[in-house]
Amino acid sequence: DQQVKQNSPSLSVQEGRISILNCDYTNSMFDYFLWYKKYPAEGPTFLISISSIKDKNEDGRFTVFLNKSAKHLSLHIVPSQPGDSAVYFCAASSNTGNQFYFGTGTSLTVIP
Amino acid sequence: DVKVTQSSRYLVKRTGEKVFLECVQDMDHENMFWYRQDPGLGLRLIYFSYDVKMKEKGDIPEGYSVSREKKERFSLILESASTNQTSMYLCASSLGHLNTEAFFGQGTRLTVV
Repeated sequence: DQQVKQNSPSLSVQEGRISILNCDYTNSMFDYFLWYKKYPAEGPTFLISISSIKDKNEDGRFTVFLNKSAKHLSLHIVPSQPGDSAVYFCAASSNTGNQFYFGTGTSLTVIP
Repeated sequence: DVKVTQSSRYLVKRTGEKVFLECVQDMDHENMFWYRQDPGLGLRLIYFSYDVKMKEKGDIPEGYSVSREKKERFSLILESASTNQTSMYLCASSLGHLNTEAFFGQGTRLTVV
């Protein structure tokens, strides 16, 4: 059973606009959340994370928002750039285990 | 910089062959992971290891085994390769303590013919 879900397989956005990628989770024990970016034929690279004690974390153009009551997180990219075109995975972990649970990914295309 | 290195970028193997995928990390991480990535299915955990000689099954361990004889090296073994094991295989490592990210290797694209 998928504990981390990304319900949008793809997203297209104009260059300069905001990209919003969404992620839902079911396990209330998750307390650490991450976003990864993946280009074809490469391994995922870590983008940004957030602990469950926060509701927002920002790093340059990337901001992650966490809504614990809704078990929902989102990644905002502002402004979007063509180089942001990639597959984005959200992931979660808990303090009771060593595993990371990944979503199925959202393919972002930023149109110049 | 953390470096996770997978021994091959591309591999082509025949059905029934025994296949070894090697992964080495250089940051003294306790945890190491093997995932496979397939379209529409995301990253699925095959096995992980939290210490030398320790291993735990992930979500899809069938048809695979692993070996961790040294802290820096984690090997994935396909005992008898089958065409449904054609996939992108990703190795990752992380520190043993909580709330830390995993670092990934560049991936191995395995094709079983």
